[in-house]
Amino acid sequence: GAGVSQSPSNKVTEKGKDVELRCDPISGHTALYWYRQSLGQGLEFLIYFQGNSAPDKSGLPSDRFSAERTGGSVSTLTIQRTQQEDSAVYLCASSLTTGGNQPQHFGDGTRLSIL
Amino acid sequence: GQQVMQIPQYQHVQEGEDFTTYCNSSTTLSNIQWYKQRPGGHPVFLIQLVKSGEVKKQKRLTFQFGEAKKNSSLHITATQTTDVGTYFCAWSPGNQFYFGTGTSLTVIP
Repeated sequence: GAGVSQSPSNKVTEKGKDVELRCDPISGHTALYWYRQSLGQGLEFLIYFQGNSAPDKSGLPSDRFSAERTGGSVSTLTIQRTQQEDSAVYLCASSLTTGGNQPQHFGDGTRLSIL
Repeated sequence: GQQVMQIPQYQHVQEGEDFTTYCNSSTTLSNIQWYKQRPGGHPVFLIQLVKSGEVKKQKRLTFQFGEAKKNSSLHITATQTTDVGTYFCAWSPGNQFYFGTGTSLTVIP
């Protein structure tokens, strides 16, 4: 398919473990965003990438969170030493470029549960 | 900083009734987008508004952008059960993207 692909779709792990979430954006989309959505809540901006520019990490909640994007395509969001409050759905979106003029295309998300 | 409020948080309507959700900003927005998220799904782009006073329609959905570009609304005429979900406004002050808190719509058959 030509949509945004995220994996895994579900992840259950123990508190203190590290997790890695993957996002494969739509081909040709230079902008990639990560969001976190807690149950019944809105979307919390985490980080975005635009092409090969340095990412905007201003939304990351702590230094346990990091993300990278290799070759301007696939991105991974890593959470180290997970805490229970990290439990949420992590959504990835891509768009042709950054900025409010482009619609965002979302993946199905990774549902992360920290025991 | 920029503050955008989305109201109401929840709305229950009888099928066939109308529904409106509002986003109100403390500052001027360059543009605004609207998304729908079905239960268990991901947000899906509906529309973008750019011009002052702009009105766009998609079948039973009417989107408005205020004259001062500080508020926007999404109105659904004669709701159907397929309209169930959470509706978000979104804006981008530069390259970052922010979403409103959303309005969860329940349609009672």
